[in-house]
Amino acid sequence: EAGVAQSPRYKIIEKRQSVAFWCNPISGHATLYWYQQILGQGPKLLIQFQNNGVVDDSQLPKDRFSAERLKGVDSTLKIQPAKLEDSAVYLCASSLDGPLDAAFFGQGTRLTVV
Amino acid sequence: KNQVEQSPQSLIILEGKNCTLQCNYTVSPFSNLRWYKQDTGRGPVSLTIMTFSENTKSNGRYTATLDADTKQSSLHITASQLSDSASYICVVTWNSGNTPLVFGKGTRLSVIA
Repeated sequence: EAGVAQSPRYKIIEKRQSVAFWCNPISGHATLYWYQQILGQGPKLLIQFQNNGVVDDSQLPKDRFSAERLKGVDSTLKIQPAKLEDSAVYLCASSLDGPLDAAFFGQGTRLTVV
Repeated sequence: KNQVEQSPQSLIILEGKNCTLQCNYTVSPFSNLRWYKQDTGRGPVSLTIMTFSENTKSNGRYTATLDADTKQSSLHITASQLSDSASYICVVTWNSGNTPLVFGKGTRLSVIA
């Protein structure tokens, strides 16, 4: 079974620039999560999708972050404009149908804002 | 407030030794508790998942225990190997619809020769 795919693996941008991350969940998984993990901390949920609908985006900084999951499969997370404090690993995870099922994580995208 | 607290924050042990990591949570109502292993530069990988009715679950040299009454869990690693060096994250699921997982900050384990 293929895992959760994310790209790119690494990204370095200057502050105020824009960046986008891509995630392809495990086939058939209805729930997709984006997490932000700052060095030395546990992942923090940014947004949770159920199919192509948003379930929880309460911790997403909506003035600069946006995410979409068109057709309920792939998802993109965008930051515009980036700030220095956005430097982190952005993890995508998926589960079969909601948080009660096991969540499988991608390898993450390490973002460095300089 | 739903929280997951892990201890110790970091731990260094010699190869071949055993160790135990702790997780205390205040999440309620509680559905399940998971332990993840996260290697540096990688995404978390699930080790165990336990519901409130389970007391222990093993996965090779990893054994997780759960006391739902005291809201405590532990992850015991037996005969540690260098490859066990990683962060171990405790994650608790709220038993309330589509609410998100609650993550601990993790314990950073270093196994040295």
